Amino acid sequence: GQQVMQIPQYQHVQEGEDFTTYCNSSTTLSNIQWYKQRPGGHPVFLIQLVKSGEVKKQKRLTFQFGEAKKNSSLHITATQTTDVGTYFCAGFMNYGGATNKLIFGTGTLLAVQP
Amino acid sequence: ETGVTQTPRHLVMGMTNKKSLKCEQHLGHNAMYWYKQSAKKPLELMFVYSLEERVENNSVPSRFSPECPNSSHLFLHLHTLQPEDSALYLCASSRFPRVGGELFFGEGSRLTVL
Repeated sequence: GQQVMQIPQYQHVQEGEDFTTYCNSSTTLSNIQWYKQRPGGHPVFLIQLVKSGEVKKQKRLTFQFGEAKKNSSLHITATQTTDVGTYFCAGFMNYGGATNKLIFGTGTLLAVQP
Repeated sequence: ETGVTQTPRHLVMGMTNKKSLKCEQHLGHNAMYWYKQSAKKPLELMFVYSLEERVENNSVPSRFSPECPNSSHLFLHLHTLQPEDSALYLCASSRFPRVGGELFFGEGSRLTVL
């Protein structure tokens, strides 16, 4: 079946260090979304990428969508303790009509040490 | 406040009990979803309702029974569950399900099956 894998599963950084999580799909995606889930919380939408090779920035966060629309990355510059949480990518696979699916990745848990 | 409200937030039930999870969205969205989140597993899509019609049933056991009486309310009826069904059950809604619009998640219902 369709799979969306993320690496690493877990990353522990010192505050101020950079962080990157990578997302890979077994099939071509129509778009990719990123969500953040704080410990004990629920997933919160961060951004959506649609175009091949697209790059978007939100303050210290940089999101990329691969040229083949099968992979994506999220890079955080100079992490802060508020960045702690699990980051999920979610790939949208368009089969036409009502069967389109949003498949979540396995997630990367980020721990930031002050 | 996400605009998606789930009750109860916590539920403990025995394997012979019958209970229901409730979700209500105040966003005017067209689609509602049930996801299951277990430890060390990606978010698993269970059911999708678009305009009150079930459009996705992701091979979920019959002991889980969804109900969508209108576009704002979604229920998950539970009966004769197993301990492995213990998980966080997340409800979500979206405006544009067919083109992969962002999901708005509720805070989740933490279910423990004894």
